[in-house]
Amino acid sequence: AQSVTQLDSHVSVSEGTPVLLRCNYSSSYSPSLFWYVQHPNKGLQLLLKYTSAATLVKGINGFEAEFKKSETSFHLTKPSAHMSDAAEYFCVVSDLDDYKLSFGAGTTVTVRA
Amino acid sequence: NAGVMQNPRHLVRRRGQEARLRCSPMKGHSHVYWYRQLPEEGLKFMVYLQKENIIDESGMPKERFSAEFPKEGPSILRIQQVVRGDSAAYFCASSQISGGPDTQYFGPGTRLTVL
Repeated sequence: AQSVTQLDSHVSVSEGTPVLLRCNYSSSYSPSLFWYVQHPNKGLQLLLKYTSAATLVKGINGFEAEFKKSETSFHLTKPSAHMSDAAEYFCVVSDLDDYKLSFGAGTTVTVRA
Repeated sequence: NAGVMQNPRHLVRRRGQEARLRCSPMKGHSHVYWYRQLPEEGLKFMVYLQKENIIDESGMPKERFSAEFPKEGPSILRIQQVVRGDSAAYFCASSQISGGPDTQYFGPGTRLTVL
């Protein structure tokens, strides 16, 4: 069985400063890991995914995440926040070949001007 | 290539009524998944369907909830005799193949409000 813990329910940053969203996972097998973003009243959009290739994964809109097996972490970062990054972010895990995605509770990001 | 379509986007029902939520997968996708997002929680898996088959409904409440994905037409999530606790956002996702590294593509969701 797999599970995800997002360590921060809310993150507030100033525009132009770095963003760090923390995620730890638990999985019995080699996991696939994803980050999704949900803007207000919108559907989920895939930011990036890790599927046992390179441990540093680059996604859309300048986001990237690093898979660290020893720490069971998959933290999401962006060097410089933009106002449009204000949204809710979900860390998601699935066991390889398992269709059941397990979502974290989400981290709400606010960006101050 | 249109994405996953869901309708209605917003649905208001009174207690005891029925709610029918529709999901049209992306073109070429034959796998559909339904998830529920309760207020201030992450999405929870409900059911996985292929055309005319329910593959896994382990996340679906045993009573009042049903899902189908007919040979023709969209997938339907049906909630009978709705209660206030059913108020949530219901998301549908589709994929080309099952599981593995293939990514599920999500629709915009249907927000159900039960009065």
